[in-house]
Amino acid sequence: EIELTQSPGTLSLSPGERATLSCRASQSVSSIYLAWYQQKPGQAPRLLIYGASSRATGIPDRFSGSGSGTDFTLTISRLEPEDFAVYYCQQYSNSPLFTFGPGTKVDIK
Amino acid sequence: EVQLLESGGGLTQPGGSLRLSCAASGFTFTAYAMSWVRQAPGKGLEPVSVISASGVTTHYADSVKGRFTMSRDNSKNIVYLQMNSLRGEDSAIYYCAKDTHMWPPDAFDSWGQGTMVTVSS
Repeated sequence: EIELTQSPGTLSLSPGERATLSCRASQSVSSIYLAWYQQKPGQAPRLLIYGASSRATGIPDRFSGSGSGTDFTLTISRLEPEDFAVYYCQQYSNSPLFTFGPGTKVDIK
Repeated sequence: EVQLLESGGGLTQPGGSLRLSCAASGFTFTAYAMSWVRQAPGKGLEPVSVISASGVTTHYADSVKGRFTMSRDNSKNIVYLQMNSLRGEDSAIYYCAKDTHMWPPDAFDSWGQGTMVTVSS
C-alpha cells in the first residue's frame, strides 16, 4: 500500500502570501493519479486538483499542482481569506483502493 | 447539479448494524464508480469502500473487510453501505463520493454532506 505524508502539518500565513504544501509518497505514483482536496470545518472535502496538475471545475487559478514520482506540491499563489482550511492529497495509482495523506492545515498567522 | 444525499446514520451499540444510503441525482449514475470515505471526529479522511459503475466490482479497506458490504441499485440511483459488527473505531462521519470515471477508481469530484455514525454502549 502506498503511504502519503504531508508537510508541514500546519502552515501559518497571512492573506496575500504564497502557500506551498508538500505531499510525499512511499513509492512512485503516476502523476495522473494524484489529487488534492480542500476541506473547511463542518464541510465535505472539495476536489481542487486531479492528475497532479489539472484544476477541477470552478477552481480559481491561484491554485496549482505540480510534481511527479514521489514528490508533489500544491501551491496557492496568493491566499484569500476563504483559503484557510485543511488540504489533503490523495493517490489512486495503487488501485483499487486509494489512500489519503494526513492533511496540512493552513491557518491565519 | 450533482447531488449526493446520505442517510441512515445514528447511534448503535458495539456489535450492532446500520445501513447507510446515498441517493444520487444530477448526473448519469450508471457511468461512474462510487465510494464511501469516513472521517472520525478531528481526524483525517479514511477510504472505506469503492464500487464500480456496474456494481460488479467492490473493494474494501482492510479495517472493514468482512464486516461492511457496499452495493448499488442503478435503477434507483442509490448506493448502500451495510455495516455489521460495528466497533467504536467505526464512529465517524461517512461521506458518499462520486468518482470521475467508471473504473478504475479515480478522483472524487462530488461529495455528499455526510452522515454521522456513532458506535457506543
